[in-house]
Amino acid sequence: QSVLTQPPSASGTPGQRVTISCSGTSSNIGSNNVKWYQQLPGTAPKLLIYYNNQRPSGVPDRFSASKSGTSASLAISGLQSEDEADYYCAAWDDSLNGRVFGGGTKLTVL
Amino acid sequence: QAQLVESGGGVVQRGGSLRLSCAASGFTFSSYVMHWVRQAPGKGLEWAALISNDESKRYYADSVKGRFTISRDNSKNTLYLQMNSLRTEDTAVYYCWTTVTGSAFDYWGQGTLVTVSS
Repeated sequence: QSVLTQPPSASGTPGQRVTISCSGTSSNIGSNNVKWYQQLPGTAPKLLIYYNNQRPSGVPDRFSASKSGTSASLAISGLQSEDEADYYCAAWDDSLNGRVFGGGTKLTVL
Repeated sequence: QAQLVESGGGVVQRGGSLRLSCAASGFTFSSYVMHWVRQAPGKGLEWAALISNDESKRYYADSVKGRFTISRDNSKNTLYLQMNSLRTEDTAVYYCWTTVTGSAFDYWGQGTLVTVSS
């Protein structure tokens, strides 16, 4: 059972917009910033979003994110086939003194 | 460009021990907190342990506390994870990871597979 809660799956057709939610508590998302990762099969996670809604250089602006209270969300617009991957949210947890991850959301592009 | 390269994975019997290493390059290793994160086959990411840049702080996930020890040698730019009393549920790809809160500084190794056989 992951500390942060994500839906196990999401799907969309090319060109659509999809959102992935991430729910936490006051000790993690509620008091710390959120990062989002994309993981393609057989590879290490790749940073998509940091500081709740900032994109590293090289990440397309089709990816956006937000945070409100103890929840966060990742949005992908103009869905492309190469976006098919697992997506994880992450945050520091003040109670656990460690990083916590969501269980991951498998995005399927139909 | 920062790079992290893990080694030391393999097959070990239940109850056995293994030591993982992570060689860092391309950044000032001694300045950064380092983590180990694992991923069981077909499962999600699970944070396992962290060590502060000066080794003064070490934190562990409950699932590994008392069995795993994280350490580092800043003179060798290397991170370690000593894993004892291994269980079948410790079977996973183990990644070393460094990340800075509120920053795009975020690097992962390629991972090393640990398989605990019964």
